[in-house]
Amino acid sequence: EPEVTQTPSHQVTQMGQEVILRCVPISNHLYFYWYRQILGQKVEFLVSFYNNEISEKSEIFDDQFSVERPDGSNFTLKIRSTKLEDSAMYFCASSPTGQGDTQYFGPGTRLTVL
Amino acid sequence: RKEVEQDPGPFNVPEGATVAFNCTYSNSASQSFFWYRQDCRKEPKLLMSVYSSGNEDGRFTAQLNRASQYISLLIRDSKLSDSATYLCVVNIGNTDKLIFGTGTRLQVFP
Repeated sequence: EPEVTQTPSHQVTQMGQEVILRCVPISNHLYFYWYRQILGQKVEFLVSFYNNEISEKSEIFDDQFSVERPDGSNFTLKIRSTKLEDSAMYFCASSPTGQGDTQYFGPGTRLTVL
Repeated sequence: RKEVEQDPGPFNVPEGATVAFNCTYSNSASQSFFWYRQDCRKEPKLLMSVYSSGNEDGRFTAQLNRASQYISLLIRDSKLSDSATYLCVVNIGNTDKLIFGTGTRLQVFP
């Protein structure tokens, strides 16, 4: 069964450093998403991406965040200058058609900012 | 009012028990509804979509009441492997984003 994959599984970084989280969505899916989950809290939407552009973003997704689909398979989330409060689990998800269709989540990247 | 509200639990039940979880959502424009399951420090995994007429998948039954803005999940004959956090998830029709509840933790004991 096709799966969303994410790398790395765990990233430790110093405050102020840039990090790039990588995702490979399911191959025939067209809609891609990033969510985050701070330890002990609910899963929160960050951004959705379709047709090589952002279709929606949340208040959390400020200028420090960016997303890119650099080639036909990868989908990346970049945090330019990490803060302590960026420490969280970051989940990538993909969906075949968007519009309320099921979203399939990757295993996540645990980001720890020191 | 929270967008999606769930009883956090935990629900501690013996194997074989029937357990029900409830969820309420605040936006009447919500159009798609799901139950996801999340194991500790893992990703959310789709358990089932919830349809207006209610639907069943093996031991799991989901119900939707649009008038009351209420979703439920019933698990029959609980197994040890059902121990997890159950996430109520809603999508509002004019957006792709999923809105998650905080989850209800279930612990099934022998």
